[in-house]
Amino acid sequence: AQSVAQPEDQVNVAEGNPLTVKCTYSVSGNPYLFWYVQYPNRGLQFLLKYITGDNLVKGSYGFEAEFNKSQTSFHLKKPSALVSDSALYFCAVRDRGRDDKIIFGKGTRLHILP
Amino acid sequence: DAGVTQSPTHLIKTRGQHVTLRCSPISGHKSVSWYQQVLGQGPQFIFQYYEKEERGRGNFPDRFSARQFPNYSSELNVNALLLGDSALYLCASSLIPGPVDIQYFGAGTRLSVL
Repeated sequence: AQSVAQPEDQVNVAEGNPLTVKCTYSVSGNPYLFWYVQYPNRGLQFLLKYITGDNLVKGSYGFEAEFNKSQTSFHLKKPSALVSDSALYFCAVRDRGRDDKIIFGKGTRLHILP
Repeated sequence: DAGVTQSPTHLIKTRGQHVTLRCSPISGHKSVSWYQQVLGQGPQFIFQYYEKEERGRGNFPDRFSARQFPNYSSELNVNALLLGDSALYLCASSLIPGPVDIQYFGAGTRLSVL
């Protein structure tokens, strides 16, 4: 079964510093990986996806993610954090059945400290 | 363009009642999926519909049902509500089913069961 794990419940980063939100995956076959962000009282917003190709994927709002097959990881990164990046971040993998369900991790709350 | 819209935004019900949640997909999107997000967890897949037919179903009891209309909007119905059904219910739409297509989420309906 496909799954993702987010080992950190919360990450604190000072504004202007680089940030990393960790994600590892377990899949059979090639993975389809996603990152979504959730702001308070808002739905999930798509950030980026990895399907195939370059291991470094660029997404919205200056975020990027690095796909590492040997470590089965898909960490989310940003070179310089903004206070407005504070939110709940979900790593996800697309299941490989007939439906298109997305399997989400439990989420990591990111706090950017001014 | 309008994104995925869901109604109502908030709902309070008592145990044993039933509830209907509504979702309008992004214009042109034909696939709709429903997810349940319990506080502190990632969203869990409930259903996917495409062209008015159920394409996938998650591990939820038969009290949960859904349908899709000719205009591609969708309803999620939950009967005999339990306290554990309290959650944020998210609707997502995509152009067509497929592993690489992006699912766009609405802001959700927050259901409280008392």
